[in-house]
Amino acid sequence: DAGITQSPRHKVTETGTPVTLRCHQTENHRYMYWYRQDPGHGLRLIHYSYGVKDTDKGEVSDGYSVSRSKTEDFLLTLESATSSQTSVYFCAISGRGAGEETQYFGPGTRLLVL
Amino acid sequence: GEDVEQSLFLSVREGDSSVINCTYTDSSSTYLYWYKQEPGAGLQLLTYIFSNMDMKQDQRLTVLLNKKDKHLSLRIADTQTGDSAIYFCADYKGSTGGGNKLTFGTGTQLKVEL
Repeated sequence: DAGITQSPRHKVTETGTPVTLRCHQTENHRYMYWYRQDPGHGLRLIHYSYGVKDTDKGEVSDGYSVSRSKTEDFLLTLESATSSQTSVYFCAISGRGAGEETQYFGPGTRLLVL
Repeated sequence: GEDVEQSLFLSVREGDSSVINCTYTDSSSTYLYWYKQEPGAGLQLLTYIFSNMDMKQDQRLTVLLNKKDKHLSLRIADTQTGDSAIYFCADYKGSTGGGNKLTFGTGTQLKVEL
């Protein structure tokens, strides 16, 4: 793994509660991404960041917000979790030198919303 | 919109070659990737090919790219039980803004039988 950790690795929560997932990297990469993985959909981009305090939406951003106050940390927040947000969430990083377009993935967080 | 498609399942015998196929719709893709996902794990980068190439070989892996037909394949020689996993293809286009966005296929589950 390319120096990427995610926490927590597993979480069970109830509908309507806020949830924050953390991605931490030790690679000093510029870009960070949050994806969700669901059966039949592959990976879909939620939000991404291209620098500290610089973020933008992906294709499935509704119900999610992100923040990046330091290069190494990218937080994904579900303000009020819904059952449709039950999924596996992956963080990815890219962007240092040649091959900066190549993305490397963290181990994932399994989230169950009851 | 852009689309990347893969077949869902492939079953092969140990020692045989596996060929996993992928089609994409966007002719401006600059890199195409293959990732491997083992159960409960994140995505591991296997290999990638630049769009001006038609073949790339890396040990047991051979990637073929047919730009005219927008078809990508991954051949695994001498397939082993440890190759059992989900394989994702993804395409990348140069980003004009703030991110190196990948579009993923839905993944092909490879099962290797003894």
